[in-house]
Amino acid sequence: EDQVTQSPEALRLQEGESSSLNCSYTVSGLRGLFWYRQDPGKGPEFLFTLYSAGEEKEKERLKATLTKKESFLHITAPKPEDSATYLCAVQAGSSNTGKLIFGQGTTLQVKP
Amino acid sequence: AAGVIQSPRHLIKEKRETATLKCYPIPRHDTVYWYQQGPGQDPQFLISFYEKMQSDKGSIPDRFSAQQFSDYHSELNMSSLELGDSALYFCASSLKETQAFFGQGTRLTVV
Repeated sequence: EDQVTQSPEALRLQEGESSSLNCSYTVSGLRGLFWYRQDPGKGPEFLFTLYSAGEEKEKERLKATLTKKESFLHITAPKPEDSATYLCAVQAGSSNTGKLIFGQGTTLQVKP
Repeated sequence: AAGVIQSPRHLIKEKRETATLKCYPIPRHDTVYWYQQGPGQDPQFLISFYEKMQSDKGSIPDRFSAQQFSDYHSELNMSSLELGDSALYFCASSLKETQAFFGQGTRLTVV
């Protein structure tokens, strides 16, 4: 069964304290791995797509990396406005459509 | 840039009533997805449409149905509502199987 597991469930950081969020996946043929940011009561906001092991994407303080078993979202010198839930999702080869299988998310709180 | 538009943003219904949620995808996107997100849960895939035809189906109750119209907007119809149907419902659109962009969601409360 295709599965996505994110850790930790919650993370508290001081402003400027860098850290990484983990997304482990077991899927029958990874077609794409996606990172989204979600603020409370709002829709997920697209951040990155990764397709193959070794691929990296960067945007401001965020950097996403991908291996054959997991992805990391590195947050460098976070600011309070980075506080949100970060969702990882995969498109699996078992599906011939673009539906996403989500992890449970990591809720990040950055304190000033 | 145009985003995915969902309406209404909030909806309160009584048990056993019917609800209709609407979604207007990003122009020129050919695929629409519906997801359900319960409190503290991750989004769960319900159903998708590619070029107005149903393309995939997830854990969608038989009480729910959806369709995509000729103008590409989509509607999710929910009948015989139950308390457990209270959730955020998201619509997302994409160009084929590239990254999906989500709307702001409809918060459905069943009382």
